Amino acid sequence: DAGVIQSPRHEVTEMGQEVTLRCKPISGHDYLFWYRQTMMRGLELLIYFNNNVPIDDSGMPEDRFSAKMPNASFSTLKIQPSEPRDSAVYFCAIKDSGANVLTFGAGSRLTVL
Amino acid sequence: GEDVEQSLFLSVREGDSSVINCTYTDSSSTYLYWYKQEPGAGLQLLTYIFSNMDMKQDQRLTVLLNKKDKHLSLRIADTQTGDSAIYFCAEKKGFQKLVFGTGTRLLVSP
Repeated sequence: DAGVIQSPRHEVTEMGQEVTLRCKPISGHDYLFWYRQTMMRGLELLIYFNNNVPIDDSGMPEDRFSAKMPNASFSTLKIQPSEPRDSAVYFCAIKDSGANVLTFGAGSRLTVL
Repeated sequence: GEDVEQSLFLSVREGDSSVINCTYTDSSSTYLYWYKQEPGAGLQLLTYIFSNMDMKQDQRLTVLLNKKDKHLSLRIADTQTGDSAIYFCAEKKGFQKLVFGTGTRLLVSP
């Protein structure tokens, strides 16, 4: 987990509120991934970036979700407006071009009431 | 099938061997992985195997790969209470995407 810092670790919000989750790789990496974990659906890939450019966002549930990566050391996942079904743990993961493994952050647990 | 499939739950006694099974979807997947998730934490890589291998051993861990059946297994020898966690298998699809199974919750009792 030390390679990726995610914040907040826990967030409780009310339906309709905007939620912003943050990911900071300790050092820049070529690829950054956002995953969502729920009991029903397991781990789902939402979107991934290569050199700060979104490559595949086919896993993003709907227009309420958006992700940005303004630089190699920072990414955000935003949900606006949030709904109870968005409650999940959201993970950020990184890898380098030549690597075959992902390094995960500790996750952000989101609860939407 | 479309999904990477794993059994949801496994319970063993301390000192026994644990075997966690996984069926993946794509026979052309180049790498297969096992990740471990402890409570409140992210996923940590345990081991991975390249698709041209049948077996990989790393201390108490043994990975077996059957490409014909698209079946992957993880054996943990001399299972300890500290091994209690959720174990995810994953396959590498395309150049960058890892697709994960639903996870197997391993409970080790004293």
